[in-house]
Amino acid sequence: DGGITQSPKYLFRKEGQNVTLSCEQNLNHDAMYWYRQDPGQGLRLIYYSQIVNDFQKGDIAEGYSVSREKKESFPLTVTSAQKNPTAFYLCASSMSGGGRGLVGELFFGEGSRLTVL
Amino acid sequence: KQEVTQIPAALSVPEGENLVLNCSFTDSAIYNLQWFRQDPGKGLTSLLLIQSSQREQTSGRLNASLDKSSGRSTLYIAASQPGDSATYLCAVTKAAGNKLTFGGGTRVLVKP
Repeated sequence: DGGITQSPKYLFRKEGQNVTLSCEQNLNHDAMYWYRQDPGQGLRLIYYSQIVNDFQKGDIAEGYSVSREKKESFPLTVTSAQKNPTAFYLCASSMSGGGRGLVGELFFGEGSRLTVL
Repeated sequence: KQEVTQIPAALSVPEGENLVLNCSFTDSAIYNLQWFRQDPGKGLTSLLLIQSSQREQTSGRLNASLDKSSGRSTLYIAASQPGDSATYLCAVTKAAGNKLTFGGGTRVLVKP
């Protein structure tokens, strides 16, 4: 069955370390997104990609980096430059042409919870 | 810049009562609006998607309306059940494949 897989589910990091969160989808979606969610707050967009080898900054891109070398994969690196990285990170994808779901409908993974020690 | 607001932030109702959740947005030039459900510690599940040309969408006990000109959408959940307890979020986008802007969510508790 198709979906979005995020890993790891839980991740602990020491200050000063970079970490990479994985996001893989088999929905044949062109667009992929990374959101950050803090307790009691809505979702804030970090980066998004509408096509392979291209991505755009969202509202809170500082301290993060991404790549989109394959349609199925959109990994997020949380760098040591991110001042407050402890949060719940959500990956999503949507169809703009072919693939599962309605055009523009967003599908989410189960999230990765990052804690800085 | 698009801003999406959901009021109230939290809502508590007895089982069986109908739920009415509100979502407002500042820029009416939207492509679609989506309603999501989020359980604690989980990802978001898409409930309903309304295209800008539509006035409402229905799925089972859920009905969502859209009034683009006034920048509002309402999610109705009929005959609420304890299993409906969750946070409900709405989001809008300007184009397919473009970024979505989310509201802060309404946390719902349905008491048995």
